[in-house]
Amino acid sequence: DGGITQSPKYLFRKEGQNVTLSCEQNLNHDAMYWYRQDPGQGLRLIYYSQIVNDFQKGDIAEGYSVSREKKESFPLTVTSAQKNPTAFYLCGSSIVSNQPQHFGDGTRLSIL
Amino acid sequence: AQRVTQPEKLLSVFKGAPVELKCNYSYSGSPELFWYVQYSRQRLQLLLRHISRESIKGFTADLNKGETSFHLKKPFAQEEDSAMYYCALSPQGNKLVFGAGTILRVKS
Repeated sequence: DGGITQSPKYLFRKEGQNVTLSCEQNLNHDAMYWYRQDPGQGLRLIYYSQIVNDFQKGDIAEGYSVSREKKESFPLTVTSAQKNPTAFYLCGSSIVSNQPQHFGDGTRLSIL
Repeated sequence: AQRVTQPEKLLSVFKGAPVELKCNYSYSGSPELFWYVQYSRQRLQLLLRHISRESIKGFTADLNKGETSFHLKKPFAQEEDSAMYYCALSPQGNKLVFGAGTILRVKS
């Protein structure tokens, strides 16, 4: 079954902890993206990667980090520096960066 | 700055009525625009893009550069059209800027 897999679906974090959200795709897409969604707002871009071993900051990268060591994987780490991490996080991918994006089911992160 | 505005959070229409979901954008260059849709319990997916100039599930959208709009239209709404709709702008072909989304509810 091809597509994008995000795990876990729900994630809880204690104050001061880093947490990593997983995003894996088997679509052989070069480009991958992370978005954040807050109530009443659209999806905002956190980081994106156009190719393996390369990534760029999006509009709200502060307090987040990513890596792109493999084509199929683009994990997002929410660090303790992110002051308001509670949100819905959506991962996307596209064949190349200027093509339509496909999306996973998302991860909902909450602070305990 | 690049921005996408969807002025309606919720649009409620009766089955068979026309639908128009509004989208305005701000971008100084030549934009590429998309409509994405998320049906209940499904993933966000592409509905249509302006360069394709095609009709998907009866929906069309025309880019109006003078009014900086990309409204989504369908002449006769169906119950299965009920979903969240997002308008998105790709300013340089390497990322998407999304609007806040509009929930479309089609009542029987």
